[in-house]
Amino acid sequence: DIQMTQSPSSLSASVGDRITITCRASQSIRSYLNWYQQKPGKAPKLLIYAASSLQSGVPSRFSGSGSGTDFTLTISSLQPGDFATYSCQQSFSPPYTFGQGTKLEIK
Amino acid sequence: EVQLLESGGGLAPPGGPLRLSCAASGFTFSSYAMSWVRQAPGKGLECVSGISGSGGSTYYADSVKGRFTISRDNSKNTLYLQMNSLRAEDTAVYYCAKDGAIVVVVRFDYWGQGTLVTVSS
Repeated sequence: DIQMTQSPSSLSASVGDRITITCRASQSIRSYLNWYQQKPGKAPKLLIYAASSLQSGVPSRFSGSGSGTDFTLTISSLQPGDFATYSCQQSFSPPYTFGQGTKLEIK
Repeated sequence: EVQLLESGGGLAPPGGPLRLSCAASGFTFSSYAMSWVRQAPGKGLECVSGISGSGGSTYYADSVKGRFTISRDNSKNTLYLQMNSLRAEDTAVYYCAKDGAIVVVVRFDYWGQGTLVTVSS
């Protein structure tokens, strides 16, 4: 199985900050990488697919990059609604594993 | 508006069965693959099972293979997950998720609100 490892596990930041979350795959997954946002008690929301494609309706302050084994999610200027947990997921081969999540908290 | 409404969760004994349903609306159901994703309390997400739009192709996580069966009724716009031989570690919120294409591409663009399954005696 492909292991997905995110760092950091948690992150404190302020409104207006630029933050980056990293996701590393245990083997190459080319660009088969999705990013999701999840708020407490809610279903995940797709932000980025194919490593860098912005899902329809998602603000442009969210961006993704990377290929192979190393990927990043960047939020250019944090807004109050962005404080949530972010998870990466590989869509390269089954089982389609997720990272353990990065909890983004208000500083 | 795309809507996915799960039902069928609840308390089940270890070794028992449970059947989840997901009623879909707002899109052409048969044109999209669907999946079930679960989240144990305080834990990360796990892709449990998925099925193509035609129903001809499926996948399962190793943790549920041989115990869970995914199916769909395109005439009723409904996705199912038959869960047998339940274990305590199957306790989780189960989400149904719409995929981005008729084949499984694992790009979950819409999710239901989730249904809680608790396996306990």
